[in-house]
Parts: sequence; structure tokens; C-alpha cells
Amino acid sequence: AQSVTQLDSQVPVFEEAPVELRCNYSSSVSVYLFWYVQYPNQGLQLLLKYLSGSTLVKGINGFEAEFNKSQTSFHLRKPSVHISDTAEYFCAVSEPSNANDYKLSFGAGTTVTVRA
Amino acid sequence: DTGVSQDPRHKITKRGQNVTFRCDPISEHNRLYWYRQTLGQGPEFLTYFQNEAQLEKSRLLSDRFSAERPKGSFSTLEIQRTEQGDSAMYLCASSDRMVAFFGQGTRLTVV
Repeated sequence: AQSVTQLDSQVPVFEEAPVELRCNYSSSVSVYLFWYVQYPNQGLQLLLKYLSGSTLVKGINGFEAEFNKSQTSFHLRKPSVHISDTAEYFCAVSEPSNANDYKLSFGAGTTVTVRA
Repeated sequence: DTGVSQDPRHKITKRGQNVTFRCDPISEHNRLYWYRQTLGQGPEFLTYFQNEAQLEKSRLLSDRFSAERPKGSFSTLEIQRTEQGDSAMYLCASSDRMVAFFGQGTRLTVV
């Protein structure tokens, strides 16, 4: 079974500064990887996904992530954050080869707080 | 708007009461998932439907929980005899196989 570790529970950052959110996963098979964002009292919104192909994936709102198979990582980055990026960010993994089951396993989340 | 819709958004109930939540998935998606999210944690898988068939249930889904998806369209999640530990955000997602799209969630508070 897969598991996800988000290495930082809270990340404070100043507006217009870069940010990196770290995610490591464990799985013995090929995986799909995702980053979701959650604003207070809201559902999850998909930021970006890695299914196959290029290991550098770009998502919405200027976010990007890089899949590193050897390090089993999928870190999320943004070169310049805005106040509106203040939210909870979740890394998630699914194992598509597991009986066609695409259920997600999530990390515990990283709270990003952007300060002016 | 053709996203995933959940109703109600918020529910406050007394311990011991039954509650039912509804999820309307994206119309062309045949897979539907329920997750539970407690404060400060990531969502945890509860159960999964492909069309009307419930194919997997988590150990988190005790006997007091039941989910249905009649005719492979909307789904309901019922919790019987609610307990304070059931207080959480209940999230529904639908999938085109590879990518899950989530609804806004139902926040349950058991008092």
C-alpha cells in the first residue's frame, strides 16, 4: 500500500518570495501523483498531476512540480507567491495498477501562510 | 456548473441521531469516492463505487455507516447513531478513472 509524507506541516513565506513544499511517497509499483489545494471550509481543488511523460509538470496559478522516481519525491514549487496562495496543500498518490483502483492516499497537508 | 455537488454543506446533529449526505458527481464520471477529513489531517478513503457497485470499503467505515449509489448516478452516505468522533468534513469525489475532482464537502458537527 502506498503512503505519503509531507515534510513540512507549516510554511510561512513573504509575498513575492518563492516557496517549495516537499512530498515523498512510498510505493512498490508505478504511481500517479497529485497536488491539491484546500481553502478554509472548502473542498479540494486540483493544482496539478503527474500521470506519465515529462517529469516536470505545470499546473494552475503558476505552480509546478517535479517527479523524481529515484528519490520517490514530488515537490511543489512556485517562484513568486501571492497573498491569495494562503491555503492548505495536500500531496496525494494513487496506484493505477492495483485492481484498477484509483483511490487516493493523502499526506497530512502543509499550511502555507503568505505575509505581506 | 458541472462540478461535483454535495448537500448539505454543513450539518449539526445531536449524538445518537442519523444523518444522510448527498453527492452528485460529474455526469460522465462512473467512479465515485467518499473520503473523511478530520481537523489538521489529510482526507482518508472511506468507500468507492464504480457505477452502482460498491467495490471497496475502508476499515474506517464502521457498521453505522452505509453508502449507496442507486442507478450509478448520485450517492448518499448515511451515518446511524452518530457519535462525537464522527465530526469531520465528508468529501465526495468523482473520477474519469485517473483524476479525481472533489466537491465542496459536508461539514458534520455532532454535539
